[in-house]
Amino acid sequence: KQEVTQIPAALSVPEGENLVLNCSFTDSAIYNLQWFRQDPGKGLTSLLLIQSSQREQTSGRLNASLDKSSGRSTLYIAASQPGDSATYLCAVTKAAGNKLTFGGGTRVLVKP
Amino acid sequence: GAVVSQHPSWVICKSGTSVKIECRSLDFQATTMFWYRQFPKQSLMLMATSNEGSKATYEQGVEKDKFLINHASLTLSTLTVTSAHPEDSSFYICSAREGGVTQYFGPGTRLTVL
Repeated sequence: KQEVTQIPAALSVPEGENLVLNCSFTDSAIYNLQWFRQDPGKGLTSLLLIQSSQREQTSGRLNASLDKSSGRSTLYIAASQPGDSATYLCAVTKAAGNKLTFGGGTRVLVKP
Repeated sequence: GAVVSQHPSWVICKSGTSVKIECRSLDFQATTMFWYRQFPKQSLMLMATSNEGSKATYEQGVEKDKFLINHASLTLSTLTVTSAHPEDSSFYICSAREGGVTQYFGPGTRLTVL
């Protein structure tokens, strides 16, 4: 059974610092991995999707890496801003169209 | 594009009553919809997967008679929490998929059972 873990569970940084969020999964046979953002009491916004054959994806200040063999992904957010404060979730899927298995999330607070 | 809505956004009900939550894909046809629940400060747990026109597939430990799922059209799925109790209070989120890989998530419904 796939298990997804995110460490740390919470993170507080001053504005301007780079953020590093970690995600690990136990079964390396994944189809893809996604990073999501969730604001309090809201739904999920997809940030980045990395296919199993890819090593990284970038979008603006966000960069996500994937090391499938070791079961790890890292989300980097450069030059953090207070607006980046949210919970970040990673999720993996085993095959195309299959269900997502989510990690527990990392709650991020960026202090002005 | 790819917008998913949920109604209501929040609901408060008395213990023992039933509550229906709607999930709609506004600008695409959702062949598959997923229902998740999320407890405070916890992650999303998949409850069930529903394909249009067929019975939902429930995850282990989810009571299908308590959480009734209907996916009667390509744009609408409903989750009915029957005989709700305080322990059913949670944040319920749906997602929809047109046929490819990407799931589009709704904004969630907060259920509080008194």
